[in-house]
Amino acid sequence: EAGVAQSPRYKIIEKRQSVAFWCNPISGHATLYWYQQILGQGPKLLIQFQNNGVVDDSQLPKDRFSAERLKGVDSTLKIQPAKLEDSAVYLCASSLGQTGTTQETQYFGPGTRLLVL
Amino acid sequence: GDSVTQMEGPVTLSEEAFLTINCTYTATGYPSLFWYVQYPGEGLQLLLKATKADDKGSNKGFEATYRKETTSFHLEKGSVQVSDSAVYFCALTRSGNTGKLIFGQGTTLQVKP
Repeated sequence: EAGVAQSPRYKIIEKRQSVAFWCNPISGHATLYWYQQILGQGPKLLIQFQNNGVVDDSQLPKDRFSAERLKGVDSTLKIQPAKLEDSAVYLCASSLGQTGTTQETQYFGPGTRLLVL
Repeated sequence: GDSVTQMEGPVTLSEEAFLTINCTYTATGYPSLFWYVQYPGEGLQLLLKATKADDKGSNKGFEATYRKETTSFHLEKGSVQVSDSAVYFCALTRSGNTGKLIFGQGTTLQVKP
């Protein structure tokens, strides 16, 4: 079974530039998560999708971050314009079932490491 | 709000030593508790989980028991190997929530031969 795919693996940009990350979840997984992991910290949820609808985006800085999952499969996370503090690893995860199933296993991709100069 | 606190790292052990990584949590209701592991250059992987009080999760020689009275979920292994060197994250999801994971800050384990 193929895992969660993410690209690119690494990205270096200058502040005020824009950047986009792509995630393809495990086939058949309805729920998709984007987490931000700053160096030395645990991952923090940015946004959660159930199929192509947003379940939770309360921690997403909406003035600069946006995300979509148009067909309920793969997803794109965008930052525009980037700030120095956005330097982090962006993790995508997916899980099989329904919202509110808190016991489900989330499967993580390898992450995209972003450096903003 | 909900939170997870892990012991500071790095933890450095010799091969075959006993491992304990402490994890305590704050949450309303009845959370599910998880340990995830991140090996060098790889993504996060679920190591074990427990979904109710007094449950014990176990995998690959690692164990953790959900202790509601002490709000803890300490990770243990009787004999560590060099291949166990990784970053370990304790996490929870709260009942009635959307399923999002709330992570601790991670604990780096280094095992020397």
